[in-house]
Amino acid sequence: DTAVSQTPKYLVTQMGNDKSIKCEQNLGHDTMYWYKQDSKKFLKIMFSYNNKELIINETVPNRFSPKSPDKAHLNLHINSLELGDSAVYFCASSQGTSGSSEQFFGPGTRLTVL
Amino acid sequence: GQSLEQPSEVTAVEGAIVQINCTYQTSGFYGLSWYQQHDGGAPTFLSYNALDGLEETGRFSSFLSRSDSYGYLLLQELQMKDSASYFCAVIKQAGTALIFGKGTTLSVSS
Repeated sequence: DTAVSQTPKYLVTQMGNDKSIKCEQNLGHDTMYWYKQDSKKFLKIMFSYNNKELIINETVPNRFSPKSPDKAHLNLHINSLELGDSAVYFCASSQGTSGSSEQFFGPGTRLTVL
Repeated sequence: GQSLEQPSEVTAVEGAIVQINCTYQTSGFYGLSWYQQHDGGAPTFLSYNALDGLEETGRFSSFLSRSDSYGYLLLQELQMKDSASYFCAVIKQAGTALIFGKGTTLSVSS
């Protein structure tokens, strides 16, 4: 049973398109995250949600809009895709303030913008 | 600003011991975590230190000195499968996002 799942695993699209990545966790965690890993493997936080509320937005362009319909899901919608958006996007979850600091990562979505 | 410094690459042979250092400078500090990532895979949690000292988990140990803003990951009895990238990451508050270092690529040869 997958703890944190993401779809799709690969996404290839043209510049200017709009795309979404979905994330679900079945761990009962309170907090979910989106991280971006660039071609040099640098991992950077984009957003953090706690119980469906936005906690962190790390100076991400407003073309990126996270949506959390419930605390088990955190989706990422990207408008007007640019070449520089090509990266691997990881969803993660953690117990939040009440539990372990361990974060569980999804398998990642490799986005390629042509 | 905030920064985490770790070596970019380390090489070793099977059976050896390797230490990956991490120094950090962040506005706020709650704890230091270590994650492993194989090529094409997701980061997976290895260890976490909130207090000074050594934490041991099997072949892997992690150390933290808060006064020196320094930590390390010690990998013993290296195996080929340990070839991966290792990231130190600061957590500034409980339940918040990780601030990652740039990662150390460990190559283990026979």
